[in-house]
Amino acid sequence: NAGVTQTPKFRVLKTGQSMTLLCAQDMNHEYMYWYRQDPGMGLRLIHYSVGEGTTAKGEVPDGYNVSRLKKQNFLLGLESAAPSQTSVYFCASSYPSGSVGDTQYFGPGTRLTVL
Amino acid sequence: GENVEQHPSTLSVQEGDSAVIKCTYSDSASNYFPWYKQELGKRPQLIIDIRSNVGEKKDQRIAVTLNKTAKHFSLHITETQPEDSAVYFCAASIGSYIPTFGRGTSLIVHP
Repeated sequence: NAGVTQTPKFRVLKTGQSMTLLCAQDMNHEYMYWYRQDPGMGLRLIHYSVGEGTTAKGEVPDGYNVSRLKKQNFLLGLESAAPSQTSVYFCASSYPSGSVGDTQYFGPGTRLTVL
Repeated sequence: GENVEQHPSTLSVQEGDSAVIKCTYSDSASNYFPWYKQELGKRPQLIIDIRSNVGEKKDQRIAVTLNKTAKHFSLHITETQPEDSAVYFCAASIGSYIPTFGRGTSLIVHP
């Protein structure tokens, strides 16, 4: 049981390049999330998904796209990277139990630098 | 939408002292309040949570209190140790809905 994994762990891009970050979970979770973490800004939600084939915008969605073609995978795409997208990206997943409160399980993070 | 304020942004204590981190939330419908710990270079991990039907929860050296009337909740760490040094995040959510995170508190425990 690997939990939540992210690929790659590190990446350096030039302005204008594109890339895709992959998040995978083996816990059969319905909900998946992408966050970015910047110093002093906490965790800001980019996009999320409440099930296979569904996605929705979070707090800071501009410049990013996502897809959830399979329940276990959640992809985050940057079509034309900008220096402002330099950040640490965390994927998370949770299982909506229907009761109050569900723990989010985070991946190890991807450190992205855009030059 | 929900807004979560977290204070202080940095907290420095001596080993053995207590540490308190406070969060306020805006949406009175929020009923789930988790706390996450993030060590340097690692992922955030849940350390304790509280639901709105209780006022306090304790797990060894850590405790969380909730005041629904004032819409604030706090994390208390007693007998701090150097390994408690990390960034702590509070969050608030309505049931299973998307949580809103505070901006984090960097706790430094000096030996």
